[in-house]
Amino acid sequence: ILNVEQSPQSLHVQEGDSTNFTCSFPSSNFYALHWYRWETAKSPEALFVMTLNGDEKKKGRISATLNTKEGYSYLYIKGSQPEDSATYLCASPGGNYQLIWGAGTKLIIKP
Amino acid sequence: DTAVSQTPKYLVTQMGNDKSIKCEQNLGHDTMYWYKQDSKKFLKIMFSYNNKELIINETVPNRFSPKSPDKAHLNLHINSLELGDSAVYFCASSQSGPGGEQYFGPGTRLTVT
Repeated sequence: ILNVEQSPQSLHVQEGDSTNFTCSFPSSNFYALHWYRWETAKSPEALFVMTLNGDEKKKGRISATLNTKEGYSYLYIKGSQPEDSATYLCASPGGNYQLIWGAGTKLIIKP
Repeated sequence: DTAVSQTPKYLVTQMGNDKSIKCEQNLGHDTMYWYKQDSKKFLKIMFSYNNKELIINETVPNRFSPKSPDKAHLNLHINSLELGDSAVYFCASSQSGPGGEQYFGPGTRLTVT
């Protein structure tokens, strides 16, 4: 069983500012790294699934990078908007069809 | 066209009752999951099914039993409901197991009184 950890636990950002947060995971036997956005009273939605070391993916103002050798991924949000307020989860397969989830980073955008 | 649907959305019931939550996905995925959002808002895996075979079964009470009549459905049956079972339960599906992104249902808020 592997541990997926996220930091910080919560983050307050002024509207218009850019921000980033971290997901760390064991680098041995790496298979994939998932990022999800989970808005309050809704269900998690996938942002990215990353598999290659050095990979960078982008969706609008949100991007993510992956370092499988050192076991971390960064999620970046450029020019934060109120609609970006959500909990951002990362997860990595732990084997046997089990996806191990981090506790999430709760992002609050202040207008 | 809802990709992953759950019914009911809300379920209020008394302790000791037996209830089921239904989940259906129309994405053609081969793996389905049940998650519980615990009191700290964490997402905890309960079960996953791949091609109608139970793959994992986390340390959940045996009062919880997943039932999959076909690849598109994974229902959750709960016997002898307890107060601590109150939570939001999410169904999800993916293609080819945990390497594929998961699509979540809207959640079922279960309240046991």
